[in-house]
Amino acid sequence: AQSVTQPDIHITVSEGASLELRCNYSYGATPYLFWYVQSPGQGLQLLLKYFSGDTLVQGIKGFEAEFKRSQSSFNLRKPSVHWSDAAEYFCAVGDSGGGADGLTFGKGTHLIIQP
Amino acid sequence: GAGVSQSPRYKVAKRGQDVALRCDPISGHVSLFWYQQALGQGPEFLTYFQNEAQLDKSGLPSDRFFAERPEGSVSTLKIQRTQQEDSAVYLCASSASIQGPGELFFGEGSRLTVL
Repeated sequence: AQSVTQPDIHITVSEGASLELRCNYSYGATPYLFWYVQSPGQGLQLLLKYFSGDTLVQGIKGFEAEFKRSQSSFNLRKPSVHWSDAAEYFCAVGDSGGGADGLTFGKGTHLIIQP
Repeated sequence: GAGVSQSPRYKVAKRGQDVALRCDPISGHVSLFWYQQALGQGPEFLTYFQNEAQLDKSGLPSDRFFAERPEGSVSTLKIQRTQQEDSAVYLCASSASIQGPGELFFGEGSRLTVL
């Protein structure tokens, strides 16, 4: 069964500083990987996704993520955070074996931005 | 509509009551998913529809949970004889993809509180 681990429950970063959110997955084949962001009271918004090809993926709002097969990781990065980035971030993995299966989500990382 | 719409946004039920949560997906989206998100957790898969067919209901926690999508568009998640452990945000997502986990578009969720 596939699983996702987000080791950091909370992360605090100063505005303007760089950010890295960790995500490790467990999956037998090549996974489909996603990062979603959820602001309070809102639904989840897709930041970026990896299906195949270039392992460095660019997303919206200046985010990027790198797929590292050897480490089973898909960490999310941003060079300079803004106060509006404060939210909950979820990493998710999907089945590449065909069929529209649901995604398996991690428990999330709560990002706090210090002024 | 422009996005996935869910109603009600908030529902308070007394233990033992039945509730019905509605999801109106993006027009033309074939795939529809329901997720349950407990406080401080990531979304967990409940069930999946492709058009009107419920292809996977493995995530439904008990036989008190029932979902339908009779005309392949709007979906309803029904919970009978609600229990306190049913308190959560119920997220609906739709996708144009039927092969592989394409991008999921999420609604804002229905927050259920069972007293």
